[in-house]
Amino acid sequence: KNQVEQSPQSLIILEGKNCTLQCNYTVSPFSNLRWYKQDTGRGPVSLTIMTFSENTKSNGRYTATLDADTKQSSLHITASQLSDSASYICVVSAKNTDKLIFGTGTRLQVFP
Amino acid sequence: KAGVTQTPRYLIKTRGQQVTLSCSPISGHRSVSWYQQTPGQGLQFLFEYFSETQRNKGNFPGRFSGRQFSNSRSEMNVSTLELGDSALYLCASSPRLAESETQYFGPGTRLLVL
Repeated sequence: KNQVEQSPQSLIILEGKNCTLQCNYTVSPFSNLRWYKQDTGRGPVSLTIMTFSENTKSNGRYTATLDADTKQSSLHITASQLSDSASYICVVSAKNTDKLIFGTGTRLQVFP
Repeated sequence: KAGVTQTPRYLIKTRGQQVTLSCSPISGHRSVSWYQQTPGQGLQFLFEYFSETQRNKGNFPGRFSGRQFSNSRSEMNVSTLELGDSALYLCASSPRLAESETQYFGPGTRLLVL
């Protein structure tokens, strides 16, 4: 069964610290993996999209990694800011099925 | 370029009523997907439309339906509303099919069913 699992469910860190969010998937055949940031009460915003051949991609202070062999991805946030407080959602696309499989997200709170 | 717009932003209905939500995609985008988001369930896929055709459908009852117009604008209809339909309804657009493209989400319509 195609599944996407994210950990931790929630995370609290202090401003300025780094953190890493995890995403494990069992989707096959794999097409691409996306990370979205969703502020409370707003629509998700795309951070990165990675295909099979890409193992790292950055977007400012956000760096996503992908290990297609172990079917794991991580999102690393450097020097966190208060505005990073949001839910981070991992989404995996299954090739040739028109399906996107969503993780339930990690809720990140950054405190001053 | 204007982003994805959804109307209305907030809606209050009572059980048994029906509701129609609207989504205008980014200009040039042909795919529109709809999602339901509740605190406990995360994002749940409803359906995707591409060039006025429903390409994919999630596991929702037939009370949930949608359509897409020739200008790519899309509407979603929920009939015989239930309390459990209270949620944030998001639409997302992409140039081509969502499975191969980054999706751009609208701000959502928050529906409250009393």
